[in-house]
Amino acid sequence: GNSVTQMEGPVTLSEEAFLTINCTYTATGYPSLFWYVQYPGEGLQLLLKATKADDKGSNKGFEATYRKETTSFHLEKGSVQVSDSAVYFCALMGTSGSRLTFGEGTQLTVNP
Amino acid sequence: EPEVTQTPSHQVTQMGQEVILRCVPISNHLYFYWYRQILGQKVEFLVSFYNNEISEKSEIFDDQFSVERPDGSNFTLKIRSTKLEDSAMYFCASSEEGGQALYGYTFGSGTRLTVV
Repeated sequence: GNSVTQMEGPVTLSEEAFLTINCTYTATGYPSLFWYVQYPGEGLQLLLKATKADDKGSNKGFEATYRKETTSFHLEKGSVQVSDSAVYFCALMGTSGSRLTFGEGTQLTVNP
Repeated sequence: EPEVTQTPSHQVTQMGQEVILRCVPISNHLYFYWYRQILGQKVEFLVSFYNNEISEKSEIFDDQFSVERPDGSNFTLKIRSTKLEDSAMYFCASSEEGGQALYGYTFGSGTRLTVV
């Protein structure tokens, strides 16, 4: 079946540091890929998405590129802010049905 | 911005009791979902619901679980006889379409269920 693996957390960075959170997946066919973010006390919010190979999703300075050859969708941001502190979830939706399969989540803490 | 609203935010229940978790999806959305996250584990799909019936469910969603849209605005998840292992954060979500690639799900902020 489908599965998503994220890098182990938590991740702690200083403000303006470069962020990478790794995500790899296992799925048949061409799934759609997503990053969700959960701020403290809030629900899961869609951060960005990519629906086919080599697509780059981007939002709020975050980017991720759908790499079919490495089955990866790593999240990057060039300069993090304290307000980016949250839990980040990588997820996929397969080619049939509408269920999301999530990774473990990565807690990011950005210190001033 | 439209929101998915879940109530209560935290519920404590005795083992063996029935519990109903409530959700108000976004008004023009047609597809509804429940997910759960046991502490320290992944967010897991439970069930999707469209046109007043279940369209997909996971192996977790056994006979102890049921969903209902009783009045056209609420969407509920019922657990008939709670077990300790049902303790988790339960997320409701809704979307305009079943495949979220175009429009995306909107998630609620969750109900933390604690079974004692």
